Amino acid sequence: EAGVAQSPRYKIIEKRQSVAFWCNPISGHATLYWYQQILGQGPKLLIQFQNNGVVDDSQLPKDRFSAERLKGVDSTLKIQPAKLEDSAVYLCASSARAGITGELFFGEGSRLTVL
Amino acid sequence: QKEVEQDPGPLSVPEGAIVSLNCTYSNSAFQYFMWYRQYSRKGPELLMYTYSSGNKEDGRFTAQVDKSSKYISLFIRDSQPSDSATYLCAMSESGSGNTGKLIFGQGTTLQVKP
Repeated sequence: EAGVAQSPRYKIIEKRQSVAFWCNPISGHATLYWYQQILGQGPKLLIQFQNNGVVDDSQLPKDRFSAERLKGVDSTLKIQPAKLEDSAVYLCASSARAGITGELFFGEGSRLTVL
Repeated sequence: QKEVEQDPGPLSVPEGAIVSLNCTYSNSAFQYFMWYRQYSRKGPELLMYTYSSGNKEDGRFTAQVDKSSKYISLFIRDSQPSDSATYLCAMSESGSGNTGKLIFGQGTTLQVKP
């Protein structure tokens, strides 16, 4: 079974530029998550989708971050304009269903460096 | 105060040692407790999953939850160099409004020396 795919793996940009990350979850998984992991910290949920609807985006900085999940499959996370503090690994995860009884499967992450 | 506190380490032990990793939390609504292992430049992978209080054992790994003290532990017996990684505790609330949102600790970096 193929895992969660993310791209690009690494991205370096200057502040105020924009960047987009792509995620393809495990086939059939209805729930998709984007987490931000700053160096030395645990992952923090940015946004959760159930199919193509948003379940939780309470910690998403909506003035600069946006995310979409068209057709309930793959998803894109965009940052515009980027700030220095956005330097982090952006992890995508998926689960077969919402609720903690579903195990989260993480991708390898997209590492962003903002200069 | 953070909802979940975890000693970041790093923790360095010799091969074969027993390792104890711990987290404390403040939210009494947490009912689901997990331990994830994260190798360098990889995503976290689920190691252990426990609901409510009690112990759970899986091979060399034992997870303990003490809800009265708001304290969870992961024990690794006969530690191996391949156990060298960052260990993240994670927790979630229960109830009809539960969306599966995990709150993570900051992770403890473990190094097992041959």
